[in-house]
Amino acid sequence: QKEVEQNSGPLSVPEGAIASLNCTYSDRGSQSFFWYRQYSGKSPELIMSIYSNGDKEDGRFTAQLNKASQYVSLLIRDSQPSDSATYLCAVSLSSGSEKLVFGKGMKLTVNP
Amino acid sequence: GAVVSQHPSRVICKSGTSVKIECRSLDFQATTMFWYRQFPKKSLMLMATSNEGSKATYEQGVEKDKFLINHASLTLSTLTVTSAHPEDSSFYICSATPPSGGTDTQYFGPGTRLTVL
Repeated sequence: QKEVEQNSGPLSVPEGAIASLNCTYSDRGSQSFFWYRQYSGKSPELIMSIYSNGDKEDGRFTAQLNKASQYVSLLIRDSQPSDSATYLCAVSLSSGSEKLVFGKGMKLTVNP
Repeated sequence: GAVVSQHPSRVICKSGTSVKIECRSLDFQATTMFWYRQFPKKSLMLMATSNEGSKATYEQGVEKDKFLINHASLTLSTLTVTSAHPEDSSFYICSATPPSGGTDTQYFGPGTRLTVL
């Protein structure tokens, strides 16, 4: 059973702070990693994808991948109240299936 | 690009009726689409993989006769909840992967909230 683990949270940070979200996965052969944001009552929205070890930056978001440690993280700089949502980590299966395995999500609240 | 739509966005039905949900990829062709279900405050649960021109692949524990999937074209997959009961009330979300780029990126539709009375 391939698993993706996220800290259960919730995580609360003040506006302007850095929010750090972490995820570990069990399938060592996974090649594709994603972070989705889901607002309450809405469907998931893709924020970042990352495929290689290291950092990938997109605006205020930075994804970090360490395949040796089977760890992927998302940093949100200058957090805004509009960033308040549940963040889902998703990992591809090494079997070649197009399926993704999702973590349970981490609820982030950014306080004004 | 990579826009996925769903219809209807919300449906309320009586117990015992069947409900059809449509998932469309608007600006790309999708040979594979995915159907998920999400209960309140829970994570996504993959129900099945919808394959254009062939039978869907269902996840363990998902009744294929209860949740009928038809992927008749490269832009449309439908999920029919047959003989719906209150326990089927949930948020149903589809996703699709654009064919270019060789990645597994899934783009989600806006979801369909089903309430069975």
